[in-house]
Amino acid sequence: NAGVTQTPKFQVLKTGQSMTLQCAQDMNHEYMSWYRQDPGMGLRLIHYSVGAGITDQGEVPNGYNVSRSTTEDFPLRLLSAAPSQTSVYFCASSYGSPPGPHEQFFGPGTRLTVL
Amino acid sequence: DQQVKQNSPSLSVQEGRISILNCDYTNSMFDYFLWYKKYPAEGPTFLISISSIKDKNEDGRFTVFLNKSAKHLSLHIVPSQPGDSAVYFCAASGGSGTYKYIFGTGTRLKVLA
Repeated sequence: NAGVTQTPKFQVLKTGQSMTLQCAQDMNHEYMSWYRQDPGMGLRLIHYSVGAGITDQGEVPNGYNVSRSTTEDFPLRLLSAAPSQTSVYFCASSYGSPPGPHEQFFGPGTRLTVL
Repeated sequence: DQQVKQNSPSLSVQEGRISILNCDYTNSMFDYFLWYKKYPAEGPTFLISISSIKDKNEDGRFTVFLNKSAKHLSLHIVPSQPGDSAVYFCAASGGSGTYKYIFGTGTRLKVLA
């Protein structure tokens, strides 16, 4: 079991560029989510999915798109990168959807810098 | 509007003593609370959870207490060990049709040997 994998680990973009952060899990989890971590701000939810074909917005969705065509994969797209999107991005998955005491398994993170 | 707050950004504790990390929330619809631990350059890992129908849950050295009337929960670590040095996040979920976990800003715990 690889758990939750994220690629790339590090990325530097120029303002206006687009890119996709990849996330995959091999635990057959229905619920997947993307967070960003910024100093003093904790983990903020960007988008989430309760199953293949179903996605919805979190707290800070602007500038990001997601899709969930399979149970395993949940890519996060930055449409036109801005310096405010410099952050560490975490993907997570869990067997059940909130609300509930469902343990989320987090990937190792992608550190993104936008110049 | 910060629905989950961790008002102490950092905490230092001597090895072997008790660490108490606090978390306050504003949304009375929350009915599940979870604690995660995060080491540098790694993703958070789950520690312990509690349902709003309970006031205490224990797992080894970790105990979470919930005071619903005060909208307050705390994580107790006894005894604290140097390996417990990490950032701790509390998270909450609840409310009909709400498929989200809301995280606090985190508390950095340093356990001194």
